[in-house]
Amino acid sequence: NAGVMQNPRHLVRRRGQEARLRCSPMKGHSHVYWYRQLPEEGLKFMVYLQKENIIDESGMPKERFSAEFPKEGPSILRIQQVVRGDSAAYFCASSPVQGRKIKYNEQFFGPGTRLTVL
Amino acid sequence: GIQVEQSPPDLILQEGANSTLRCNFSDSVNNLQWFHQNPWGQLINLFYIPSGTKQNGRLSATTVATERYSLLYISSSQTTDSGVYFCAVERTYKYIFGTGTRLKVLA
Repeated sequence: NAGVMQNPRHLVRRRGQEARLRCSPMKGHSHVYWYRQLPEEGLKFMVYLQKENIIDESGMPKERFSAEFPKEGPSILRIQQVVRGDSAAYFCASSPVQGRKIKYNEQFFGPGTRLTVL
Repeated sequence: GIQVEQSPPDLILQEGANSTLRCNFSDSVNNLQWFHQNPWGQLINLFYIPSGTKQNGRLSATTVATERYSLLYISSSQTTDSGVYFCAVERTYKYIFGTGTRLKVLA
């Protein structure tokens, strides 16, 4: 029973390049969440997606960042024209139920992608 | 928004010692989880505990939702317990994380 998978585990980009981070939720989970962890800090919510829908992107910077969860395939977090301040660990989590209307919402986290911007 | 405070921020233990980590939150929540982030950065689910008490081996947790706090107990600590322990609370599907307790267990 595979857990949440993320790839790549480590990603190095030069300033101005694009970064693409992938997340495959646990089997049977249809809700995906992205969080960002800056060094020495806790995780901060970025975006919540269901298949083909962005439910809440209130934690995501307005520019350069986008996320999708297509009908087929993994969820993608895309960062365009990366800057040094984007260097962080990006975690994906999945849950089996809709969090807003149903109280149970246990989230399971992937191993993260560590992005380094040179 | 909801504030999540964890204490102590840092803790050093000798192997075999017991400890209690605390998580206070400023408003009512639907869900609460405890995580261990190991030295390699991986987040491991310890407990899903919106209320009540749970035990898993040497670890146990208690959440008193009406008083807005949760406790994580570690007994007979081992060096592999080292890392950062996060409490996270949820009310509208997104979890809000505390700043963590950094634990170091010495052999």
